[in-house]
Amino acid sequence: GAGVSQSPSNKVTEKGKDVELRCDPISGHTALYWYRQRLGQGLEFLIYFQGNSAPDKSGLPSDRFSAERTGESVSTLTIQRTQQEDSAVYLCASRRLVSEQFFGPGTRLTVL
Amino acid sequence: AQKITQTQPGMFVQEKEAVTLDCTYDTSDPSYGLFWYKQPSSGEMIFLIYQGSYDQQNATEGRYSLNFQKARKSANLVISASQLGDSAMYFCAMREGGNAGNMLTFGGGTRLMVKP
Repeated sequence: GAGVSQSPSNKVTEKGKDVELRCDPISGHTALYWYRQRLGQGLEFLIYFQGNSAPDKSGLPSDRFSAERTGESVSTLTIQRTQQEDSAVYLCASRRLVSEQFFGPGTRLTVL
Repeated sequence: AQKITQTQPGMFVQEKEAVTLDCTYDTSDPSYGLFWYKQPSSGEMIFLIYQGSYDQQNATEGRYSLNFQKARKSANLVISASQLGDSAMYFCAMREGGNAGNMLTFGGGTRLMVKP
């Protein structure tokens, strides 16, 4: 039973470029979450998927951020025209029914 | 107002001693859940323990216990018999509402350092 996986593990990009971050949840987990963690801080909620619909996008910081999910599987978080303040670790978590959230290892994004 | 407050940015504890990490929360929802996660230097988030707002007893999981004081809105994590491997960041989090789909709101974390 694999856990939540994320790719890439590290991404360095230039300001203004677009990036795509990928999350593979645990098989059978219907709920999927994206969080952002800036250096030395707690996690900030970005978006939540139930299946492939996103009932809660309230945490997306700007219209440069978007996410989609295919069925109850892979999700991609896209950041367009990246800015230096987007530098952070982006964590994905998945959950089945009312269990706790299981987190992936994160993608460390550095915008130069 | 902060929904989750962790007032201890850093804590030291001697190996084999117990330590309490503080967490207070703010919600008007009668149904909520409280979580503690451990984040070692590798960056992964490891679930430790959960307490539901209607649970009558404090949650325990091995060396971890949650001191739940509902009236004071506190959910402190107690780690007994600290080990060197317990050195990590610890985050308290809350899920509000009966809808289990709601996201977690995290506190700022406490860095625990266990001294040999």
